[in-house]
Amino acid sequence: SQQGEEDPQALSIQEGENATMNCSYKTSINNLQWYRQNSGRGLVHLILIRSNEREKHSGRLRVTLDTSKKSSSLLITASRAADTASYFCATEGMSGYSTLTFGKGTMLLVSP
Amino acid sequence: DVKVTQSSRYLVKRTGEKVFLECVQDMDHENMFWYRQDPGLGLRLIYFSYDVKMKEKGDIPEGYSVSREKKERFSLILESASTNQTSMYLCASSTGLAGGRETQYFGPGTRLLVL
Repeated sequence: SQQGEEDPQALSIQEGENATMNCSYKTSINNLQWYRQNSGRGLVHLILIRSNEREKHSGRLRVTLDTSKKSSSLLITASRAADTASYFCATEGMSGYSTLTFGKGTMLLVSP
Repeated sequence: DVKVTQSSRYLVKRTGEKVFLECVQDMDHENMFWYRQDPGLGLRLIYFSYDVKMKEKGDIPEGYSVSREKKERFSLILESASTNQTSMYLCASSTGLAGGRETQYFGPGTRLLVL
């Protein structure tokens, strides 16, 4: 399996603080994506960064990608209680099919 | 907005039963996927389909089969359910366009309990 690994497995912060999650993967990729999953629900796509990009922003989200280290980070600034969820990184490999390999996720708890 | 629906949110079946999980997407997407999600293991790809009647094995196809007779519908079949197939099953779809910008749209999931 080429599954990525998120770090930390769980993160607990206060509202207003920043949350940083990391993802490492093993093989060459076309892109890396981050998804959010609220408890017991389906996943929602947050942001995609292509292999030739180093940083991307979307609202309060900032994603970085270091292909030399095969790692990515997701920063959520000024966290809100509504950000409480599990966050997954997913990599699209270079097999020709647009399949994603998901990590095991980081569980984020934002307390009011 | 893309909508992916799954036939059941919760399902309880007995060992040995044949189980059908249905997924429907309304955005004319080419690709459809079935995953299972287990605590500590993340999402694992079971099967995917990139066209009607086409299917490809994912990472964990054993004990499962799929059917895609129409573009909008992708079914996951457990031929003879076993307790180790108790899991959350997630369906997803994507456009199938080239260019390295594919994102997947997920259904709400089906929690299957096999007794």
